[in-house]
Amino acid sequence: QKEVEQDPGPLSVPEGAIVSLNCTYSNSAFQYFMWYRQYSRKGPELLMYTYSSGNKEDGRFTAQVDKSSKYISLFIRDSQPSDSATYLCAQPRGNYGGATNKLIFGTGTLLAVQP
Amino acid sequence: SQTIHQWPATLVQPVGSPLSLECTVEGTSNPNLYWYRQAAGRGLQLLFYSVGIGQISSEVPQNLSASRPQDRQFILSSKKLLLSDSGFYLCAWSVSLGISYEQYFGPGTRLTVT
Repeated sequence: QKEVEQDPGPLSVPEGAIVSLNCTYSNSAFQYFMWYRQYSRKGPELLMYTYSSGNKEDGRFTAQVDKSSKYISLFIRDSQPSDSATYLCAQPRGNYGGATNKLIFGTGTLLAVQP
Repeated sequence: SQTIHQWPATLVQPVGSPLSLECTVEGTSNPNLYWYRQAAGRGLQLLFYSVGIGQISSEVPQNLSASRPQDRQFILSSKKLLLSDSGFYLCAWSVSLGISYEQYFGPGTRLTVT
């Protein structure tokens, strides 16, 4: 089992829709998660990070962590064509003895928002 | 604010030729530095990791090497490129203190080996 898994998509939605992007994780040692957005042929850009259960909001973006099911989600409200990109989730590598400075990334979900 | 630069942006090289990709970071001191490769439709593969000048950890055995001659400079090299070295190479940095784990990526170099 991969440590961080994402549905690769593509996920196609109409403009204005609410988008839900999801990851599952297997390592419960570090409840610290990041979401990155990567436009085609560009480097990933950090969108949000969260380290607790519940929701964290930033504008149209909400990150949610469900520790009981080992599920993390990114919601995008009022989606725009400019949101079309690949979204990657990540968490630190490590165990209960300590975290490392290395990240484990999901393979990403490709989102297309249709105008 | 911190910025990270990579060059060149694109590169087409024949099999067997050498490679040198450069990454520099501005606006921070003693960062952790990383080289990743992203193959088409695949995730990010960590290649090398550095916590300081001259300190390089290799994640996977391969045809590539890395060096860190200065605090904010990270170089990815190869003596002889293989077709399988084609991909999108990304440099990233993070703070060296263990209080946060976020990594920040450069714009990438797209390498095609022909």
